[in-house]
Amino acid sequence: DAKTTQPNSMESNEEEPVHLPCNHSTISGTDYIHWYRQLPSQGPEYVIHGLTSNVNNRMASLAIAEDRKSSTLILHRATLRDAAVYYCIEKLQGAQKLVFGQGTRLTINP
Amino acid sequence: EPEVTQTPSHQVTQMGQEVILRCVPISNHLYFYWYRQILGQKVEFLVSFYNNEISEKSEIFDDQFSVERPDGSNFTLKIRSTKLEDSAMYFCASSRNNSPLHFGNGTRLTVT
Repeated sequence: DAKTTQPNSMESNEEEPVHLPCNHSTISGTDYIHWYRQLPSQGPEYVIHGLTSNVNNRMASLAIAEDRKSSTLILHRATLRDAAVYYCIEKLQGAQKLVFGQGTRLTINP
Repeated sequence: EPEVTQTPSHQVTQMGQEVILRCVPISNHLYFYWYRQILGQKVEFLVSFYNNEISEKSEIFDDQFSVERPDGSNFTLKIRSTKLEDSAMYFCASSRNNSPLHFGNGTRLTVT
């Protein structure tokens, strides 16, 4: 299974931007980068995904490095509700399933 | 917004008993999945299901596990003879082709 590397934990303050890094140095050219998050006592929730270009949606932005070996999930203005475990996942071409790693536990301070 | 629903939210069973965990996927989705998460550990893939058959399964999904889509709306996971180590959160998910997975909020299975 494809392997991504994320910090175990990060901390930020409410109403500040948060940049969550992910390394995926062995990614192939056709595999997408997906981000999911898991709020306490809930199932994983889709956040965003991309291939080569930076992507924006109502939840977050995804900045993908030009060589695609890393990416950064950006929460523009964190709220307490954004405290969760964030998972960066390589989705292999043609595969439907996701393979979760340990993710980054994000703590938001009031 | 449509969502995946799972029942029950918590199931307690005795070792050796059979359990059935139920899921109602989003109605126009074609791919269905079960994942589990043992307390404090990562989310683990169990099985995917498409076109009324298993499309992929992990090593965890042994002969004690089975899945079924008994009608047009439900998707079930059966564990035939539960073990203590089957205690976990079980998440159902569904998706369209090459689209994000939508997860339910899980069933907490406690085997005593």
